[in-house]
Amino acid sequence: AQTVTQSQPEMSVQEAETVTLSCTYDTSESDYYLFWYKQPPSRQMILVIRQEAYKQQNATENRFSVNFQKAAKSFSLKISDSQLGDAAMYFCANSGGSNYKLTFGKGTLLTVNP
Amino acid sequence: NAGVTQTPKFQVLKTGQSMTLQCAQDMNHNSMYWYRQDPGMGLRLIYYSASEGTTDKGEVPNGYNVSRLNKREFSLRLESAAPSQTSVYFCASSGGTGAGNQPQHFGDGTRLSIL
Repeated sequence: AQTVTQSQPEMSVQEAETVTLSCTYDTSESDYYLFWYKQPPSRQMILVIRQEAYKQQNATENRFSVNFQKAAKSFSLKISDSQLGDAAMYFCANSGGSNYKLTFGKGTLLTVNP
Repeated sequence: NAGVTQTPKFQVLKTGQSMTLQCAQDMNHNSMYWYRQDPGMGLRLIYYSASEGTTDKGEVPNGYNVSRLNKREFSLRLESAAPSQTSVYFCASSGGTGAGNQPQHFGDGTRLSIL
């Protein structure tokens, strides 16, 4: 069984500052993947970043990076130089390599203040 | 670049009515998925189709049926709509052979209200 927990229902950050969104997970899979998706008010689900569990190196995509702590089952998202367009709901998600079930957390609503 | 296309975008039904949500992808993906998103909750998997000709239940399948019509299309049917099925429905697709192999690409969602 897979579970994903996002303990911060809401976060806020000043424009140009850095913010970290938390996520913890649990899975029985030995081979699994972790994702952060962004959902702006337009309702689209946009992939932000992806991490393979077998890779020790933390994934980065421009201003977005993760801190993947496998032993602690923690997968936090860091957004650097926050922009107004980063304001959205952010979902952490987990899937096992051998199954098709993508399990989502309940989301963190990020507000970016000018 | 259409990606994943869902129709309709909005729909209002009366309790007991039936309807089919349509989904089509043009990325030649093997796998397709239907999710529902309720306030305060993340997306929950209703049904998925790992490949053309196969379908399987996800986390919340009760009250729904699906059809993988061909590789491109995956429809979701509500036979007798209930107010508890008021939600936003997302279709997604992915390449590879499992949810983890490739990221899922999502449609824009269908907002369904059942009175």
